Amino acid sequence: SAVISQKPSRDICQRGTSLTIQCQVDSQVTMMFWYRQQPGQSLTLIATANQGSEATYESGFVIDKFPISRPNLTFSTLTVSNMSPEDSSIYLCSVSPTSGGQETQYFGPGTRLLVL
Amino acid sequence: GENVEQHPSTLSVQEGDSAVIKCTYSDSASNYFPWYKQELGKGPQLIIDIRSNVGEKKDQRIAVTLNKTAKHFSLHITETQPEDSAVYFCAASTDSWGKLQFGAGTQVVVTP
Repeated sequence: SAVISQKPSRDICQRGTSLTIQCQVDSQVTMMFWYRQQPGQSLTLIATANQGSEATYESGFVIDKFPISRPNLTFSTLTVSNMSPEDSSIYLCSVSPTSGGQETQYFGPGTRLLVL
Repeated sequence: GENVEQHPSTLSVQEGDSAVIKCTYSDSASNYFPWYKQELGKGPQLIIDIRSNVGEKKDQRIAVTLNKTAKHFSLHITETQPEDSAVYFCAASTDSWGKLQFGAGTQVVVTP
C-alpha cells in the first residue's frame, strides 16, 4: 500500500483565516481524494483531485471554499478558506494506486483542524 | 445516489468473543465493498474488502460476507482482542473512479 503523509497534523486557527493542508504520497498515484470527517461522524467526500485539471467537487462543496491543487502524481493540497467554527473537522486525503474499475483507497493520517 | 446504512452504532464484546457489523446498500450497481478500521487520532486503515463477484473473504480473524440479492454485507471478527477496539466503517462503490460512500461507523469496545 502507499505511504501517505499530511501536513500539518493538527492546527488551531482563527475564524476568517485560511489553512492549506498538504498531502504527499511515496509513489505516483492516479486518483487522489479529499474527505472531511466532522467530530464523531463518518467520512464525506469533498472532491477528487485531478492531475492537470480542475478538481471535481461533490454536492455541497465549492471551489471558492475548498480550492484544491494537484501539480503532480504524488502531491495535492486542500485549502480551507475563510474558516468558521463549523469547519472544525478532520481532513483526510486518500489515494488509489491505479485508475478505473474497482479501486482500493488508502488514507493518510488526517489533519485535525480546530477553528476558534 | 448510493446510501449505506451500518448497524450497530456501538458494540461491546468480551475479549475472545465474536463481533459482527452489518451494512446495507441501496444501489444494486455497487460492486466494491471495503471495510476500514479507525483508531483514535489516526486515519482509516483498510482491513479487508470484497468485490461483487465473491460471496465471502477471510483474512485471519477477519471475514466479510456479501449478499448481493439482499444488498447487504457484514464484517465478522473472531476471537476479539483489546486491540480490536476502534471505529469500523463500511463503504460501497459504484463509481468507476472509486468514489466511496461510507456508513455511519460502529464503535467497537473489547473488554478484557
